[in-house]
Amino acid sequence: NAGVMQNPRHLVRRRGQEARLRCSPMKGHSHVYWYRQLPEEGLKFMVYLQKENIIDESGMPKERFSAEFPKEGPSILRIQQVVRGDSAAYFCASSSRTGGGTYNEQFFGPGTRLTVL
Amino acid sequence: QKEVEQDPGPLSVPEGAIVSLNCTYSNSAFQYFMWYRQYSRKGPELLMYTYSSGNKEDGRFTAQVDKSSKYISLFIRDSQPSDSATYLCAMSVRGTASKLTFGTGTRLQVTL
Repeated sequence: NAGVMQNPRHLVRRRGQEARLRCSPMKGHSHVYWYRQLPEEGLKFMVYLQKENIIDESGMPKERFSAEFPKEGPSILRIQQVVRGDSAAYFCASSSRTGGGTYNEQFFGPGTRLTVL
Repeated sequence: QKEVEQDPGPLSVPEGAIVSLNCTYSNSAFQYFMWYRQYSRKGPELLMYTYSSGNKEDGRFTAQVDKSSKYISLFIRDSQPSDSATYLCAMSVRGTASKLTFGTGTRLQVTL
């Protein structure tokens, strides 16, 4: 059973370019979360999506960042006009269900390391 | 002030030692408390989770939650070199989408 898949694992972009990060959740999981990890910092929540819906985007920067999880295909985190401060590791996690007062484990992918030159 | 505070370390202990890792938090709405382990250049993996206050044991690992003090701990007994990693505490609020709030992580080194 494959785990959460992320690609690319490493991505280098120049300032002003676009970055697209992909996440395929574990089989049977329909909930996807994106987190960002800056050097020497913990993971920061960005966005939570279900198929075709954004549930919570309270951690997303107001500009340049967007996320989607289409009916078919992987979830995409898109960063437009990247700046050096966007350099970080971006982790995707998936879970089978959530809410209702129960805890459902989030399984994390290996991350995409974005470097902005 | 951060919602979750965690000493970044590094913490270096000899093999076989008991390790104590801790986090404090300020949001009294947190109900679920997790410990993740993260090896270098890898994604976090869940070690243990606890709902509300109390203790939970799993092999060499024990998690404790004291909600009155807003303080959680992870104890590792008989530490091994393979335990060398960064340990992240994480928390979430019951009944909401499972957004996790993480501490900064404590880097642990277990030496031979």
